[in-house]
Amino acid sequence: GNSVTQMEGPVTLSEEAFLTINCTYTATGYPSLFWYVQYPGEGLQLLLKATKADDKGSNKGFEATYRKETTSFHLEKGSVQVSDSAVYFCALTPPNTGGFKTIFGAGTRLFVKA
Amino acid sequence: DTEVTQTPKHLVMGMTNKKSLKCEQHMGHRAMYWYKQKAKKPPELMFVYSYEKLSINESVPSRFSPECPNSSLLNLHLHALQPEDSALYLCASSQDYGGSSYEQYFGPGTRLTVT
Repeated sequence: GNSVTQMEGPVTLSEEAFLTINCTYTATGYPSLFWYVQYPGEGLQLLLKATKADDKGSNKGFEATYRKETTSFHLEKGSVQVSDSAVYFCALTPPNTGGFKTIFGAGTRLFVKA
Repeated sequence: DTEVTQTPKHLVMGMTNKKSLKCEQHMGHRAMYWYKQKAKKPPELMFVYSYEKLSINESVPSRFSPECPNSSLLNLHLHALQPEDSALYLCASSQDYGGSSYEQYFGPGTRLTVT
């Protein structure tokens, strides 16, 4: 079946530290891959996406590369800020399902200290 | 306008009450979703409407009744809920059926408490 596995949190970093949140997936075919972010008290927002192998998604200093050979989509940021404190969800949408069923990972909570 | 709005923001209801959650988008999206999110968990899909027709029902209990009056509006009617139904209810929308690459746009959610 289709699934997404994220590293367990919480992750606590100091401001300006390097961030990596690992995400691996299981899917048949070529799913689309997403990172969503949820700030406290809010809904989810798309952070970035990649729709085919070797694509790199990027936004607000965050990046992730679609690696088919390792079935991974790790999220990275070179220098985190306090305002990046949130929950990050890795997600995939399997092909041939009409795009309606998004599979979310469990989420990784990030705390950034000043 | 890339906003999905939801009302109310908070709702407290008794187990015998009937209430409705509302969601609206003006992005021309033809797919709309209801999710349930418990604390520290990812969203769980409940319903999907595509072109105003119910496309997916993830075996949700009948005390939750969705409605899509038009392409911009989505309602969730609640009746005889249980305390375990207390959660954040998220609405989302996306472009129409046709591929897996379309991201979803989420509203801020309705925080529901069932007493």
